[in-house]
Amino acid sequence: QSVLTQPPSASGTPGQRVTIVCSGSSSNIGSNSVNWYQQLPGTAPRLLIYRNNQRPSGVPDRFSGSKSATSASLAISGLQSDDEADYYCAAWDDSLSGHVVFGGGTKLTVL
Amino acid sequence: QVQLQESGPGLVKPSETLSLTCAVSGGSISNYYWSWIRQPPGKGLEWIGFIYYGGGTDYHPSLKSRVTMSLDTSRSQFSLRLSSATAADTAVYYCARGHYGDYGLSGLYYYLDVWGKGTTVIVSS
Repeated sequence: QSVLTQPPSASGTPGQRVTIVCSGSSSNIGSNSVNWYQQLPGTAPRLLIYRNNQRPSGVPDRFSGSKSATSASLAISGLQSDDEADYYCAAWDDSLSGHVVFGGGTKLTVL
Repeated sequence: QVQLQESGPGLVKPSETLSLTCAVSGGSISNYYWSWIRQPPGKGLEWIGFIYYGGGTDYHPSLKSRVTMSLDTSRSQFSLRLSSATAADTAVYYCARGHYGDYGLSGLYYYLDVWGKGTTVIVSS
């Protein structure tokens, strides 16, 4: 059971906009910044969004992040077949002397 | 371009200690928080802990009693030791470079911007 809650799956057609929500609590998302990682099949995770809404160099602006209270969202616009992957949210959790918590992951399927 | 490479035994016997090393190339090991993350087969990511370049550590509460991390700045590498391994420790293990900071009212941030390719460790007799 993950500390951060994500839907196990999401889907969309090419060109569509898809949003993945990550729910947490006051000790993690409610207090600290959220990051998003993309994991393509058979590869290591890749940083997609950091500090709620910042994109690392090389990440297309089709990907955007936001946070409100104890939830965060990842939006992908102009969906492409290459976006088919697992997406994970993560945040620092202040409980138990502090540690990183991940969501369970959302498998995005491009129909 | 910073690159990370995990290495270590792919097979560990139950009750023994799982040991992995991550070599850092193409950049400095200083000023970062170096993490280990694992992913059991077919499951999600689990953070194991980090070691700061100054030697300080922070471990996941559920693994704290079994985890030890160390850093060798002269060799630009850091290591993970997980004692009393069980089948539940079977996973792909990733090392990653972390950024940690405190934005006051905005809270803490910790994100991983460079990852190794991962190494599979199976715990079995």
